Order: sequence, then structure tokens, then C-alpha cells
Amino acid sequence: NAGVTQTPKFRVLKTGQSMTLLCAQDMNHEYMYWYRQDPGMGLRLIHYSVGEGTTAKGEVPDGYNVSRLKKQNFLLGLESAAPSQTSVYFCASSYSQGGETQYFGPGTRLLVL
Amino acid sequence: RKEVEQDPGPFNVPEGATVAFNCTYSNSASQSFFWYRQDCRKEPKLLMSVYSSGNEDGRFTAQLNRASQYISLLIRDSKLSDSATYLCVVNGSASKIIFGSGTRLSIRP
Repeated sequence: NAGVTQTPKFRVLKTGQSMTLLCAQDMNHEYMYWYRQDPGMGLRLIHYSVGEGTTAKGEVPDGYNVSRLKKQNFLLGLESAAPSQTSVYFCASSYSQGGETQYFGPGTRLLVL
Repeated sequence: RKEVEQDPGPFNVPEGATVAFNCTYSNSASQSFFWYRQDCRKEPKLLMSVYSSGNEDGRFTAQLNRASQYISLLIRDSKLSDSATYLCVVNGSASKIIFGSGTRLSIRP
């Protein structure tokens, strides 16, 4: 039981490049989330999903897209990376609604030059 | 005003001391409350849930004060291993999960 895994762990991009972050969970959780964490800002919700085939916007969705084609996977895409997207990205999952414990992946550190 | 506010610290206390910090929230309709712990360069992990009646787990005690809209975390007999950042989390729904920016705690020998 690996819990929540994230790929890659670290990435450097040039402005304008695109990439996809992959999150996978093996706990059969319905809910999945993408956050970004910046110094002094706490974690901010980018997008979330309440089940396979569904996605919704969080607090800071601009510049990101997501897809949940399979229940166990939640992908975060950056179509045209900007330096402001330099951050640590965490994926999380939970069994049901927001009142449940969230389980986090180890994070992806992204640097956009 | 931020929806969830925490004193960023750092709190620097000697081993064995008792330390407490609060977290205030602005939405009176908030339903669920948690404390997470985050070690340096690691992911957050659930420390404990905060119930209306309070919650105690060993050396850790969490309290909820709905009237004044804050939650608290008390750590007794602090250990070196308690050094971390403690995140307050307030949940209204899946789309209203608000993390505080965290309180840094450093325990010195």
C-alpha cells in the first residue's frame, strides 16, 4: 500500500514550457486535490475532484488544468509555465467530503526559470 | 483578513516545556477542524482532528471555541521530535478547505 505517490519529485522548466504532474493513490479514495505551497502562504487549493471523470476549480486555478480519467489518478497540467508557478505542489486524497482526513503525496518541487 | 490565521512563530521552547498556539477562522459556518504537522521539506500529515468536545492524544490536546472562532493546540512535555510546522485546517466543504500558513515550533535541548 503506497498511499499517495507523485511524479516527478523535482523539475526545472523554462518559461512557456508545458508539463504534467501525476498523482496516484491506491486507497480507493473518491476525492483528490492539488495544492501549491509557497513560503508564508500555506497550502492553496488549485483544483479538486469528487470522483472519476469530475474536476472543479479551487482557490487558485488559473494557469492549470486537471483531469481525472481514472479514479486512482489525478493529473495536473501546466500549459505554459510562468515563473509565478515556481512552487511545491502537493497532491492529496480523501475518502469522502472535505471533512475527512486528507492523505498527502511527497510533493513535487517545480522551478520555472 | 485571511480566512484562517496562525501566528507564524517561530516558537522556540526548551525540551519538556508546555507550548500552545491558536488558529482563528473567519467563517462561522465551518464544519470540520484539524491540526496537521509538516516536517521540513515533507508533506503534511494529520496530527489530530478537533472536535467540539475537544480531543486529547497523549501529550497533545486540541480545543475548539466556536463562540470566539478559534482552535488551539497544546503540547505538553515537548520533545525534540516535536519540532515541525503545525498547520491549522478548516473545512467547510470540498471546495472550502482552508489551510493556515502554519506555526513553526522549534524545541531546543
